[in-house]
Amino acid sequence: GEDVEQSLFLSVREGDSSVINCTYTDSSSTYLYWYKQEPGAGLQLLTYIFSNMDMKQDQRLTVLLNKKDKHLSLRIADTQTGDSAIYFCAESIMQAGTALIFGKGTTLSVSS
Amino acid sequence: DGGITQSPKYLFRKEGQNVTLSCEQNLNHDAMYWYRQDPGQGLRLIYYSQIVNDFQKGDIAEGYSVSREKKESFPLTVTSAQKNPTAFYLCASSIGTGQNTEAFFGQGTRLTVV
Repeated sequence: GEDVEQSLFLSVREGDSSVINCTYTDSSSTYLYWYKQEPGAGLQLLTYIFSNMDMKQDQRLTVLLNKKDKHLSLRIADTQTGDSAIYFCAESIMQAGTALIFGKGTTLSVSS
Repeated sequence: DGGITQSPKYLFRKEGQNVTLSCEQNLNHDAMYWYRQDPGQGLRLIYYSQIVNDFQKGDIAEGYSVSREKKESFPLTVTSAQKNPTAFYLCASSIGTGQNTEAFFGQGTRLTVV
């Protein structure tokens, strides 16, 4: 079955880098996603990576994928207080069209 | 502006009553989804629909029902059979099937059973 695991909390200081980790189990997933949720709001897509890639960089965001270990990470450089939110890792499951299977989310707390 | 709209933002229901959550999109997306979010549980898939007049159960469909009579609309009914309905409900849509289609989310409806 499909399962996505994330650590629940991460606390960093403003200006430091944040690294949020995720593991998934479905080896057939070809796209993996990172979403951000601010309090009381819906989810916003931050970035995604195709499974034949090892790394993708988008401004302050770097996604690393280790397909052998089924490990995905999101690095946020120069973390700001506005980055405080819940970050969800997700994989797409072919049997459900593009329905996404989400991890439990990592709450990132940034202190100044 | 194109987008996906959920209403209402907050909803209160008495025990034993059915209640319907609205989800409308004007993105011309074929696929629509309902997720439930509980603290520390992440998002769990309730129902999804890949095309009009067709829908499939997700992981936690018991106590819920949906319809997809129009492409733009995918209402979710929380029935009295749902044992623990208090939660944050999120609706999403995407272009359709295919490997990489971004899912767009509504702002959510917080349902409280009183």
